Amino acid sequence: DGGITQSPKYLFRKEGQNVTLSCEQNLNHDAMYWYRQDPGQGLRLIYYSQIVNDFQKGDIAEGYSVSREKKESFPLTVTSAQKNPTAFYLCASTDGSLAKNIQYFGAGTRLSVL
Amino acid sequence: AQTVTQSQPEMSVQEAETVTLSCTYDTSESDYYLFWYKQPPSRQMILVIRQEAYKQQNATENRFSVNFQKAAKSFSLKISDSQLGDAAMYFCAYSPSEGSGGGADGLTFGKGTHLIIQP
Repeated sequence: DGGITQSPKYLFRKEGQNVTLSCEQNLNHDAMYWYRQDPGQGLRLIYYSQIVNDFQKGDIAEGYSVSREKKESFPLTVTSAQKNPTAFYLCASTDGSLAKNIQYFGAGTRLSVL
Repeated sequence: AQTVTQSQPEMSVQEAETVTLSCTYDTSESDYYLFWYKQPPSRQMILVIRQEAYKQQNATENRFSVNFQKAAKSFSLKISDSQLGDAAMYFCAYSPSEGSGGGADGLTFGKGTHLIIQP
């Protein structure tokens, strides 16, 4: 089945540690996104990528990094510079037909600090 | 910058009744898209309905319909014949169109409305 796979479902980070969240899609979508969701908040955009080897900062990029080496994959690294990383992280993608603008989401990763 | 406001943190409705969730937004663009997403307890984000700003006709999807008031920058979601499975967080979201220089720049979300369905 086509879709977006995020792993792991739960992740724990120690102080000073970098952790990487995986996002893979087999929808052949060009654009991919990372959002952060905090309790009582909507989703906020961290990074997005419209094509391979290119990405842009969203509204809350500080303390995060990404790469886009393959069309199917858009991993997110939460660095030690992110002082409040505990949140629910959602990956999304949209197809090349911008007229649709519909984003499809993965099931998310919950990150907690030990 | 665009903003999306959902003024109802929580709403409650009896099963089989109708409920309306409110959303207002702020943008200087004339062409854009608006969405309602549903997030059930599983946390999976599910698209409920989509509206294109240049279309006058309000979008409908089965029991879900919107009241799009472009001049007032209002985009409410009406759920008819509410069912227990409709219980979820509902998020209103905005996206600029490709004609506005955006289209693939990500969505701007409201903070959500928690919908409770009472049996």
